[in-house]
Amino acid sequence: GAVVSQHPSWVICKSGTSVKIECRSLDFQATTMFWYRQFPKQSLMLMATSNEGSKATYEQGVEKDKFLINHASLTLSTLTVTSAHPEDSSFYICSASRLAVTYEQYFGPGTRLTVT
Amino acid sequence: RKEVEQDPGPFNVPEGATVAFNCTYSNSASQSFFWYRQDCRKEPKLLMSVYSSGNEDGRFTAQLNRASQYISLLIRDSKLSDSATYLCVVMEYGNKLVFGAGTILRVKS
Repeated sequence: GAVVSQHPSWVICKSGTSVKIECRSLDFQATTMFWYRQFPKQSLMLMATSNEGSKATYEQGVEKDKFLINHASLTLSTLTVTSAHPEDSSFYICSASRLAVTYEQYFGPGTRLTVT
Repeated sequence: RKEVEQDPGPFNVPEGATVAFNCTYSNSASQSFFWYRQDCRKEPKLLMSVYSSGNEDGRFTAQLNRASQYISLLIRDSKLSDSATYLCVVMEYGNKLVFGAGTILRVKS
């Protein structure tokens, strides 16, 4: 149990375009989903926290108008990178949690974004 | 100062060796502590939680010292399959996970 999927697993896009990444909890309802970014040889950095049905809370330094997060249901959250630039190329990982049950976060397999 | 600091390594050890990783954290209000394992280009996977009383899971032993804000992981009888990056992770208010940059372990035959 507690499986989280992400789609796509990798994507290459041109500078200036937008990319949508989906995060799904497959066998449980996720009250909270988290979005992380990891640059090569660096640690995962939390970008934002989203609760179903409410606006996401962004970490300091993360542009909410550039990284649009939607958590419309208890099993799906999406991250849209708008007007992507090469410096947005990174490994984007989501995690999902059933906070009413446990503090454990279950991680998706990640999405590798390359902006050319 | 980074919130969670780890020696980046790499630690190159032979099979069967015992290896220890250390980690320090800066926020004394941190609530929970974990070790995760991350393989190359994959998502992190929870290895174990860390408690002040210490906890052991097979060949892995984790320890927390709240007074020193120090966390350790000991791996005994290293296997080739233990090769990975080990992430020290601290949970803060709001269930936010703060990750260290990771320590690379390479176990060689």
